[in-house]
Amino acid sequence: QQQVKQSPQSLIVQKGGISIINCAYENTAFDYFPWYQQFPGKGPALLIAIRPDVSEKKEGRFTISFNKSAKQFSLHIMDSQPGDSATYFCAASMSSGNTPLVFGKGTRLSVIA
Amino acid sequence: GAGVSQSPRYKVAKRGQDVALRCDPISGHVSLFWYQQALGQGPEFLTYFQNEAQLDKSGLPSDRFFAERPEGSVSTLKIQRTQQEDSAVYLCASSLEFAGTGGYGYTFGSGTRLTVV
Repeated sequence: QQQVKQSPQSLIVQKGGISIINCAYENTAFDYFPWYQQFPGKGPALLIAIRPDVSEKKEGRFTISFNKSAKQFSLHIMDSQPGDSATYFCAASMSSGNTPLVFGKGTRLSVIA
Repeated sequence: GAGVSQSPRYKVAKRGQDVALRCDPISGHVSLFWYQQALGQGPEFLTYFQNEAQLDKSGLPSDRFFAERPEGSVSTLKIQRTQQEDSAVYLCASSLEFAGTGGYGYTFGSGTRLTVV
């Protein structure tokens, strides 16, 4: 059973546009939701993270929106740039126990000029 | 070092061969994780150490997989009698905090790409 479902699998966005990636989770005990960015040949790197006590978190061009009742969260990349082309993973974990992160299957983003 | 270091970067093994993959976490990081990333997929959890204690090995796919972190720093993932389905990138991550608290998230290494032929 996949604990974190991510969509779309791939995404093509024009330069300057908004990229939106969605994730849904089942386990209501999850209380930490990070997004990771991965370039080819590299490990995932933490981009931004949110806890369920807030509905939105913004860092530069990257925003996480969190809907606790729907058990969904999304990543918005504003003013998308070709350098943002990478694979993005959402993840989730619970801080109440020694539980590692579980990842979505990833979204391959291509930003074209 | 400044980041998580993994070696080798690439490993080609003949089916049936044993392999050992090394992870040097960030100095002082308490938690260490191993993940397996198949081509085009997200990382999947294998095992987790808190210092030298292996607290969770539920993700190890078979008894051919073994991990250790004897002194609470460097970790080794060993795969015995490799099979073609073991071909993947093996990622190591470390965290200053205990698993799940993730205040600063995990720092991943660049991984070891294992190809079993």
